[in-house]
Amino acid sequence: EPEVTQTPSHQVTQMGQEVILRCVPISNHLYFYWYRQILGQKVEFLVSFYNNEISEKSEIFDDQFSVERPDGSNFTLKIRSTKLEDSAMYFCASSEGGTGESGELFFGEGSRLTVL
Amino acid sequence: AQKVTQAQTEISVVEKEDVTLDCVYETRDTTYYLFWYKQPPSGELVFLIRRNSFDEQNEISGRYSWNFQKSTSSFNFTITASQVVDSAVYFCALSGGETSGSRLTFGEGTQLTVNP
Repeated sequence: EPEVTQTPSHQVTQMGQEVILRCVPISNHLYFYWYRQILGQKVEFLVSFYNNEISEKSEIFDDQFSVERPDGSNFTLKIRSTKLEDSAMYFCASSEGGTGESGELFFGEGSRLTVL
Repeated sequence: AQKVTQAQTEISVVEKEDVTLDCVYETRDTTYYLFWYKQPPSGELVFLIRRNSFDEQNEISGRYSWNFQKSTSSFNFTITASQVVDSAVYFCALSGGETSGSRLTFGEGTQLTVNP
């Protein structure tokens, strides 16, 4: 069964360092997303990406964050200068259409980021 | 703004008991979509169901059933004859429509523990 894959599964970094989280969405999907989950809390939307541009972003997704689809298969989330509060599980997701069309978001297994 | 409330933070049952997880939502959209996701201890998010706002028919899938009541803005999830493997955090989520695009808004989650 096709799946969304994420790397790394866990990254530990020092405050102020740049981090790149990588995702390989399902190959025929057109919509890509990043969500995050701070430990013990709910899952929060960060950004959606369609047709090589951001289609929607939340208030969490400030100038420290950026997304990119560099080579037609990978979908990356970059945090430029990490803060302690960026420690969380980051989930990548993809869908064939928007949630109103195909309906189902397929989530990766997450990348746990720990900022020290 | 959209909001999802899962008032039950934790539920503990004994195997074979039936259990209902509550979900209440708020939205100004006339078209929207409701989801349930399961997050087992391993951390991934597993899609369970998606319903659109025009389809109030209840759904049953094996031991799982969902009760969508538009009049009370609720989308409750019942597990019949619970099993230890059902132990997980369950998230209700809402998306779609005119004001929120494709982002999923998650509830806080309900931690379900099924004891043998």
